Amino acid sequence: AQKITQTQPGMFVQEKEAVTLDCTYDTSDPSYGLFWYKQPSSGEMIFLIYQGSYDQQNATEGRYSLNFQKARKSANLVISASQLGDSAMYFCAMREGYNAGNMLTFGGGTRLMVKP
Amino acid sequence: GAVVSQHPSRVICKSGTSVKIECRSLDFQATTMFWYRQFPKQSLMLMATSNEGSKATYEQGVEKDKFLINHASLTLSTLTVTSAHPEDSSFYICSALYRNEQFFGPGTRLTVL
Repeated sequence: AQKITQTQPGMFVQEKEAVTLDCTYDTSDPSYGLFWYKQPSSGEMIFLIYQGSYDQQNATEGRYSLNFQKARKSANLVISASQLGDSAMYFCAMREGYNAGNMLTFGGGTRLMVKP
Repeated sequence: GAVVSQHPSRVICKSGTSVKIECRSLDFQATTMFWYRQFPKQSLMLMATSNEGSKATYEQGVEKDKFLINHASLTLSTLTVTSAHPEDSSFYICSALYRNEQFFGPGTRLTVL
């Protein structure tokens, strides 16, 4: 079974509007971390936001927030006030266990296109 | 802080040759680095975990004799694609572990003719 699933291969959003990118995960480990990365056409992976499995509150970083629903095993990324520069691939990733050296497993990605 | 560089950013080589890609942590020491491969329009797939001073741990299906990884210092890991073939053409990205986070390099685009 897929550990990280991103069901939206592509999304359009109007500039200045909010958009939600979906991510569901599968793990039996009670300790895990969820990450979102942005990959523009240049290829670099830009870290956006992190949510730990024991965090009580949803993570927020500027215009990015993570809608963490633990019982549903979902960790959707919400981007508010979309900008043209937000057009990129977005990847959800999970790290299982306590060890920070554990591997990241990535979802298939969502291509976000912001329309002017 | 926590900057990771890769060199070269792009490389084109002939089939059968070997190519070395460097991954450096510029402002921190990294005992653990990771190597990923990303085919066009696909996600990142972990190839191997590189630990300074010890042998790399390869993921299932990755040929260790073809993708040689050396992590000889706390700031440098290298990936050598030996006897490269066109099917090895891909985007190779490294990351380095620092304070519980992985910091990614800018990637290397390999094209094998």
